[in-house]
Amino acid sequence: EPEVTQTPSHQVTQMGQEVILRCVPISNHLYFYWYRQILGQKVEFLVSFYNNEISEKSEIFDDQFSVERPDGSNFTLKIRSTKLEDSAMYFCASGQREETQYFGPGTRLLVL
Amino acid sequence: GDSVTQMEGPVTLSEEAFLTINCTYTATGYPSLFWYVQYPGEGLQLLLKATKADDKGSNKGFEATYRKETTSFHLEKGSVQVSDSAVYFCALNSGNTPLVFGKGTRLSVIA
Repeated sequence: EPEVTQTPSHQVTQMGQEVILRCVPISNHLYFYWYRQILGQKVEFLVSFYNNEISEKSEIFDDQFSVERPDGSNFTLKIRSTKLEDSAMYFCASGQREETQYFGPGTRLLVL
Repeated sequence: GDSVTQMEGPVTLSEEAFLTINCTYTATGYPSLFWYVQYPGEGLQLLLKATKADDKGSNKGFEATYRKETTSFHLEKGSVQVSDSAVYFCALNSGNTPLVFGKGTRLSVIA
């Protein structure tokens, strides 16, 4: 069964450093999403991406964040200058035209 | 905006007990409703969904019915197992819009 994959599974970085989180969505999906979950809290939407552009973003997704689909398979989230409060689990999800979104296993980011 | 409210946890049950986790929603239009499950140390997995009123989603012994009149989508299971211990998230969206999640309910099942 096809699944969304994410790398790395864990990332530790110093405050102010740039990180890139990678996702490989399910191959025939057209809609891509990033969510995050700060430890013990609810899952929050960051950004959605369709047809090679951002279709929607939340207030969390400020100028330090960017997304890219550099080739036909990868979907990346870049955090330009990490802050302590960026420590969270980051989930990628993908979907087709129907509503169901399929999530990857997540990347746990720890900013020190 | 759209929102999801689910019962506060944690919920602790003995094996074979009946489970209900309440979920109510506020949304414009006619959203699709979902339950996702997060097992310890893992990501989010789709457990079940319903896309229109009176639909019943079911999977692995879990069920939830889309009740438009009460704007609810309560999760139930007749007999829980230790392996069901996880965090359960109720969520909604409309079309390809972002999912809106509840805060999650932690379930612990003890033998």
